Amino acid sequence: QSALTQPASVSGSPGQSIAISCTETSSDVGGYNYVSWYQQYPGKAPKLMIYDVTNRPSGVSTRFSGSKSGNTASLTISGLQAEDEADYYCSSYRSSTLYVFGTGTKVTVL
Amino acid sequence: QVQLQESGPGLVKPSGTLSLTCAVSGGSISSGNWWSWVRQPPGKGLEWIGEIHHRGSTNYNPSLKSRVTITVDKSKNQFSLKLTSVTAADTAVYYCAHNGYYTIDSWGQGTLVGVPS
Repeated sequence: QSALTQPASVSGSPGQSIAISCTETSSDVGGYNYVSWYQQYPGKAPKLMIYDVTNRPSGVSTRFSGSKSGNTASLTISGLQAEDEADYYCSSYRSSTLYVFGTGTKVTVL
Repeated sequence: QVQLQESGPGLVKPSGTLSLTCAVSGGSISSGNWWSWVRQPPGKGLEWIGEIHHRGSTNYNPSLKSRVTITVDKSKNQFSLKLTSVTAADTAVYYCAHNGYYTIDSWGQGTLVGVPS
């Protein structure tokens, strides 16, 4: 089963902005606006950060934002902080499997 | 926001059946929407297993469909996962979760289930 492709790792210095991409070769990411992003600390459950491509749940910092262009969705973290160091996963709705997750990206704060 | 708590054996014999239960608190399982199971092998990514509606309708990941059954018990405010014919490849942290609209908006803490090789 194919998954959404993310870079294995992304790093940045405190205060910088970084972007994590999520690319799907089929039409799923591009065809639907049901892209979500999750943050996961080691040994912890994922936490929803973005849903419906651009929407933030209540309580999520405005430093996190989502976008989509064609078949690539992106999560941008602005004003990078040490607490942002975690794994990040995208997820997309698919008609066949309903939910497919990305390969995951480890964010390192230098 | 509801709270979810997984429970079940931490070790399952090869070819056996993995059985987990998710207790829902802070809200009724009949309040609507869907409830999912997701797993994560050690050091790897997330895999959606399937979902159930409180009325009993289910959807499964095609890659696991032949081995998975998800059920709901409204009287106990919980839902359950059964995965048959397990192998070492089924070793993972299993999460139960609540679905929003085409998103998974809250997660249990997860439970590690091992299948020795």
